[in-house]
Amino acid sequence: DAGVIQSPRHEVTEMGQEVTLRCKPISGHNSLFWYRQTMMRGLELLIYFNNNVPIDDSGMPEDRFSAKMPNASFSTLKIQPSEPRDSAVYFCASRPDSSSEKLFFGSGTQLSVL
Amino acid sequence: AQSVAQPEDQVNVAEGNPLTVKCTYSVSGNPYLFWYVQYPNRGLQFLLKYITGDNLVKGSYGFEAEFNKSQTSFHLKKPSALVSDSALYFCAVILNAGSYQLTFGKGTKLSVIP
Repeated sequence: DAGVIQSPRHEVTEMGQEVTLRCKPISGHNSLFWYRQTMMRGLELLIYFNNNVPIDDSGMPEDRFSAKMPNASFSTLKIQPSEPRDSAVYFCASRPDSSSEKLFFGSGTQLSVL
Repeated sequence: AQSVAQPEDQVNVAEGNPLTVKCTYSVSGNPYLFWYVQYPNRGLQFLLKYITGDNLVKGSYGFEAEFNKSQTSFHLKKPSALVSDSALYFCAVILNAGSYQLTFGKGTKLSVIP
């Protein structure tokens, strides 16, 4: 099992550019999470999908952020336009189903917006 | 509302000595508590969980945690620290089994000194 796969590992972009982060959950898992990690705020839940449907997006900071899960094996988090304060590590996590407590995290995407 | 506090940003311990990483929680009900570990440039990994039953929970890599309801604490412990235990440790809480609203603490950096 390859685990949760995120790409890219590192992204450096300029303010105003569009950024797309990608996630492939563990096969068979039907719950997916996007988290953001910063020194100041720690780990924040951005959005939660269950069976490819967004259940809770209240953590998405602004309309500049959007997330999709077109199928069970792929999700994207898009920031358009990006701003320097979006610089953070973005993690994707999955779990087998909605009754499971244990999350499996990807290695994250380090985003730097200049 | 639920919250988790990790009162120490950093813990230093000599190799071979026992270690404790502290966590206190606040929930309006019976909590489900977790510890995750994050190694450099990696995602979080599940260590252990407390759902119900025995207050002493054993997890991966020789770690254990003690649930104390009266003190609302869930401290992580290990009898003999290894240099390879150096990492960032996160305590987390949910209110209901299968809830997606996992609340993480800010994290405690553990440094084990050879």
